[in-house]
Amino acid sequence: QSVLTQPPSVSGAPGQRVTISCTGSSSNIGAGYDVHWYQQFPGTAPKLLVFRNSNRPSGVPDRFSGSKSGTSASLAITGLQADDEADYYCQSYDNSLSGSVFGGGTKLTVL
Amino acid sequence: QVQLQQWGAGLLKPSETLSLTCAVYGGSFSDHYWSWIRQSPGKGLEWIGEINASGSTNYNPSLRSRVTMSVDTSKNQFSLRLTSVAAADTAVYYCATASSNHDILTGYYRDYLDPWGQGTLVTVSS
Repeated sequence: QSVLTQPPSVSGAPGQRVTISCTGSSSNIGAGYDVHWYQQFPGTAPKLLVFRNSNRPSGVPDRFSGSKSGTSASLAITGLQADDEADYYCQSYDNSLSGSVFGGGTKLTVL
Repeated sequence: QVQLQQWGAGLLKPSETLSLTCAVYGGSFSDHYWSWIRQSPGKGLEWIGEINASGSTNYNPSLRSRVTMSVDTSKNQFSLRLTSVAAADTAVYYCATASSNHDILTGYYRDYLDPWGQGTLVTVSS
């Protein structure tokens, strides 16, 4: 059972827009801590996609965007492409754990 | 540009000790915290803990009794030891660079993880 809650799967057709939600609580996202998003392809390490809610590292396309409100955050992917098919994880800091917590991951399928 | 390269034993028997090391190339070893995260087969990510160049550590309470992290600043390396492993510890273990953030109530804390090592599959089986 992950501390942050994500939908197990989302899907969309090429060119469409999808969003992935991440719900936390008053000890993590709701306490004001930032949310970060990672993309993971099978057999590889997670890669930072969005940091501190809405910032993209160099090289990440602007098709990927993040937002946060209250105890939740969202990752939006526009102009879906076949190679966006991957697992996506959210992460934040939790002050009851005094460390990082993750969502259970969302598998994106491009139809 | 920081790069991480990790290694360690991949097959352990129950009750043995897991030992992994991560080498840091590029960047300043003393400027960051260094984290370990694991991912059980087909499951999500679990934060194990973190350490800085001074040896200050924070561990996940669920693993604290079995975890020890250490650093070797002369080699820009940090290590993870997990004692008394069981089948439930079977996972891909990752090392990662942790960036720090700050607020008035929390003080300094770690937030995003970037970059990550390549991962090491550790299987615990008799």
